[in-house]
Amino acid sequence: GAGVSQTPSNKVTEKGKYVELRCDPISGHTALYWYRQSLGQGPEFLIYFQGTGAADDSGLPNDRFFAVRPEGSVSTLKIQRTERGDSAVYLCASSSTGAPHNEQFFGPGTRLTVL
Amino acid sequence: GQNIDQPTEMTATEGAIVQINCTYQTSGFNGLFWYQQHAGEAPTFLSYNVLDGLEEKGRFSSFLSRSKGYSYLLLKELQMKDSASYLCAVRDDGGGATNKLIFGTGTLLAVQP
Repeated sequence: GAGVSQTPSNKVTEKGKYVELRCDPISGHTALYWYRQSLGQGPEFLIYFQGTGAADDSGLPNDRFFAVRPEGSVSTLKIQRTERGDSAVYLCASSSTGAPHNEQFFGPGTRLTVL
Repeated sequence: GQNIDQPTEMTATEGAIVQINCTYQTSGFNGLFWYQQHAGEAPTFLSYNVLDGLEEKGRFSSFLSRSKGYSYLLLKELQMKDSASYLCAVRDDGGGATNKLIFGTGTLLAVQP
């Protein structure tokens, strides 16, 4: 079966612009997570969805960041008024509560560059 | 606070054994994961420990001591393709409904011929 997919794979934008990053989780996975990873660092948690609702958004750095998952499947991470410090790889992961370890399966990421 | 420590880099020889250590301090604990990440790729799941002791899975083993806040990943019979970053992550339920992973910075392992 298909894994987690993310689009676009690369996004270059200018400071101040708005961007949307999309995540398609593994079919049937009810949990979805967004992380961001800077060079040489581990992934940093942003937000966790269980179904359509955000169960934990404590990792969102500020109110410029917002994420939705309206139908409990595809999710979109939205960043307003982008800043150079937002440049990173944005990773999406999904998991199934029925899995043995409930491990998270990661997508390939979207590399965001803010000029 | 949340803190996960692991060495930044390690070097080992093909065919040898290497141990990557991880220590953690988190507000909640609901399991520890090891992920492998090749450059430019997504992290892939390697192992999971929630109880104290050793879990073995082929050439990879992982150990956990919850009282010490300590884990290690053991890689045997190293191959060149094992050159990658190894990420230690704690599932922090924080006593609530979250299922988030708190990651260390990763250990970049270089396997030399």
